[in-house]
Amino acid sequence: DIVMTQSPDSLAVSLGERATLNCESSQRLLYSSNNKNCLAWYQQKPGQPPKLLIYWASTRESGVPDRFSGSGSGTDFTLTISSLQAEDVAVYYCQQYYNTPYTFGQGTKLEI
Amino acid sequence: QVQLVQSGAEVKKPGASVKVSCKASGYTFTGYYMHWVRQAPGQGLEWMGWIHPDSGGTNYAQKFQGRVTMTRDTSISTAYMELSRLRSDDTAVYYCARVVVPAAPAGWFDPWGQGTLVTVSS
Repeated sequence: DIVMTQSPDSLAVSLGERATLNCESSQRLLYSSNNKNCLAWYQQKPGQPPKLLIYWASTRESGVPDRFSGSGSGTDFTLTISSLQAEDVAVYYCQQYYNTPYTFGQGTKLEI
Repeated sequence: QVQLVQSGAEVKKPGASVKVSCKASGYTFTGYYMHWVRQAPGQGLEWMGWIHPDSGGTNYAQKFQGRVTMTRDTSISTAYMELSRLRSDDTAVYYCARVVVPAAPAGWFDPWGQGTLVTVSS
């Protein structure tokens, strides 16, 4: 199975500052057919299901604010929130969809 | 709009089975793979498997092989996940989630159902 490891486990960032969340996979996630990485990012707030933010490691889902961006390739990926807003407090998960089982990272809890 | 609505919370005794439903609306049910993911209290997300609503084909995570059964009823656009021989560590919120890309088993998930809490307790 592909192991997804997120760091840090928790992160406190001031309002308006940049937040950087990391995700490392135990195997490369590159899909050869389109040269894109099979990695998604989700945001989960208490009592809610996860919400899709990013797919193909760097493609922002429609409606997601442009302060959210994804980057990385191979085995190392990053979710960046350029200017933290109060509503961004949540747990963030990365997920690989390269191979079954489609594993998730353990999550990063983002606080103000 | 595309929506997944799940059945209500369940309380089960150890050794029993539970069947959770996920009713889809706003799109062609048979055109998109449906996945199931669970989340134990205060824990992360765990993928359980998928079902292809058109063919009924399934792919289960090794961890759940022999205990999980995913089915569907295309006449009512509903997917089901049944977990048997329940243990206390099966206590979790169970989500259904649709793959965004049509006819693709793999991919990112959107939307998700609202979740169904299954509590296993004697």
